[in-house]
Amino acid sequence: SYELTQPSSVSVSPGQTARITCSGDILSRKHGRWFQQKPGQAPVVVIYRDSERPSGIPGRFSGSSSGTTVTLTISGAQVEDEADYYCYSATDKNLVFGGGTKLTVL
Amino acid sequence: EVQLVESGGALVQSGGSLRLSCAASGFSFSVFWMHWVRQVPGKGLVWVAHINDDGSVTDYADSVKGRFTISRDNAKNTLYLQLTSLRAEDTALYYCVRDPDDYSGDFWGQGTLVTVSS
Repeated sequence: SYELTQPSSVSVSPGQTARITCSGDILSRKHGRWFQQKPGQAPVVVIYRDSERPSGIPGRFSGSSSGTTVTLTISGAQVEDEADYYCYSATDKNLVFGGGTKLTVL
Repeated sequence: EVQLVESGGALVQSGGSLRLSCAASGFSFSVFWMHWVRQVPGKGLVWVAHINDDGSVTDYADSVKGRFTISRDNAKNTLYLQLTSLRAEDTALYYCVRDPDDYSGDFWGQGTLVTVSS
């Protein structure tokens, strides 16, 4: 089975750039995706197809891919961006998820 | 606007059964594969099951195989998950997820909570 590995936590000051990586063999064949989850709230997809941003997602969110790693970048992170971020991908059989990264902005 | 609205979550005793529903709108439901994913509050996510567009193909995580059944009614734009022989470890938020699409994007519901008491 496939695994995706993320750092458990990332911390930045407001206005700084936050980068969260996600690594796994499946990412060399399938696109990476990211969602944001705040406590008690539903997931909000912020990036799909490695680097596509859904409508309504602020431009400070971007994604990139290289080899077996995808990266979520939040340029000029805001306090409201503090949340858990999960990467995931769709295999031929199922969905696989990273363990989540807690982003602290303070 | 794409919407996925889950319902049916409840508190149930160990060994009991429950049926979850997911009402879909804003897209052509009958052409998309669909998934159920669960999350223990405060923990990570686990894929549970998927179903193909016409309902003829299903697959399950080993942890629920033989106990859960995924189905769909394309005429009603609704996805279902029948949960039987429930265990305490099935306690989780259950999300309905449209199969990720590289062109039109990914969509998740808000989740419905299943609590199994032992």
